Amino acid sequence: DAGVIQSPRHEVTEMGQEVTLRCKPISGHNSLFWYRQTMMRGLELLIYFNNNVPIDDSGMPEDRFSAKMPNASFSTLKIQPSEPRDSAVYFCASSVLKDSEAFFGQGTRLTVV
Amino acid sequence: GESVGLHLPTLSVQEGDNSIINCAYSNSASDYFIWYKQESGKGPQFIIDIRSNMDKRQGQRVTVLLNKTVKHLSLQIAATQPGDSAVYFCAENIGGGGADGLTFGKGTHLIIQP
Repeated sequence: DAGVIQSPRHEVTEMGQEVTLRCKPISGHNSLFWYRQTMMRGLELLIYFNNNVPIDDSGMPEDRFSAKMPNASFSTLKIQPSEPRDSAVYFCASSVLKDSEAFFGQGTRLTVV
Repeated sequence: GESVGLHLPTLSVQEGDNSIINCAYSNSASDYFIWYKQESGKGPQFIIDIRSNMDKRQGQRVTVLLNKTVKHLSLQIAATQPGDSAVYFCAENIGGGGADGLTFGKGTHLIIQP
């Protein structure tokens, strides 16, 4: 298996623009997680899905952030409008079960200027 | 060592030496702990885990020690190699290893000197 696949690897956008990050979890994994990583705050869980259903989005910082999982093999994290403070590395992870080991993707480095 | 929520320290060791990375966790109710390794430009990678009913667990070249009395976790890497250079995170959870409940520390940067 190729592992968790995220795209793009790098994204540079202007403040106010919409940004969409994509994730393909490992086939057969039922749970998917979106994390954000910054030097100041470390790794923070934004939202997670179980069987394509959002379970906990309490980590989503603001209404500007939204996430969807239309099917078992695809998820998106959208920021609209983006702001410079959203600059971070965004990771997607998946696991077989919610309580089992999570496998992380390579991340998307987002820079909002 | 590191403490969940504080700055990123650096540990430099000679190739071939053993290294010890420390972590102080904050939640006394946490009963599951994981060490992750993150190389530059990559996502965190699972190394080893331990449950609170244990105080030691060994893997290949790695050992995790848990001291619940002082809420301290350590990762020992034997005979360090250049490929061990990375940032190491400890993570704690209550009730299992699910990524939904993990609280990550800020990490320790391990540098292997040739």
